[in-house]
Amino acid sequence: VQLEESGGGLVQPGGSLRLSCTASGFTFSSYWMSWVRQAPGKGLEWVANIRQDGSQKNYVDSVKGRFTISRDNSKNTLYLQMNSLTAADTAVYYCARSSCSGDCYLGFHYWGHGTLVTVSS
Amino acid sequence: EIVMTQSPAALSVSPGERATLSCRASQSVNSYLIWYQHKPGQAPRLLIYGASTRATGIPARFSGSGSGTEFTLTISSLQSEDFAIYYCQQYSSWPMYTFGQGTKLEIK
Repeated sequence: VQLEESGGGLVQPGGSLRLSCTASGFTFSSYWMSWVRQAPGKGLEWVANIRQDGSQKNYVDSVKGRFTISRDNSKNTLYLQMNSLTAADTAVYYCARSSCSGDCYLGFHYWGHGTLVTVSS
Repeated sequence: EIVMTQSPAALSVSPGERATLSCRASQSVNSYLIWYQHKPGQAPRLLIYGASTRATGIPARFSGSGSGTEFTLTISSLQSEDFAIYYCQQYSSWPMYTFGQGTKLEIK
């Protein structure tokens, strides 16, 4: 199982960025997928997740209305569109997969190495 | 939102000794509690799920206990590779989750 994030970088406050996570080594379309972030010097924060078929999406309150999670199962890729970014969104963003398939959750067993998003003028 | 509070924020323990880390939920999460280990520059590592079940490949020196609102991660006989930050996470509110703020386990 491999998860590889990309798309991070420096963006100005109010700007937008789209993160991607390319998955391999498993049947991508069978798993919920999540984004988890870690701000500098802070702990882990779950950001958003999406059901296998994209029919259900959930967000932490702090990003609702600004971030959109999506997936393309034909490309084995997870996305996070981030709009109206603020300094508080500066973090390493990880994509993560549960250890079990279907509507099941026993923890994030697989993680990417993360991509850094810096929001600064 | 279920708030997870970990204590202490930092813990200094000598190699070979036992470490006890605590996690408290703002409301009952039954046994839907996970522990992770996180080292700088690495992805987090899943240690324990269901409050007390070790994930595949996790050494027996890691054990979890508790239910409801009070949980403990115990690491018996600390090894050098165990010094890291430990997070608890609840999944009672699946498919939404919250993490604790972490406990940094340092070498004494």
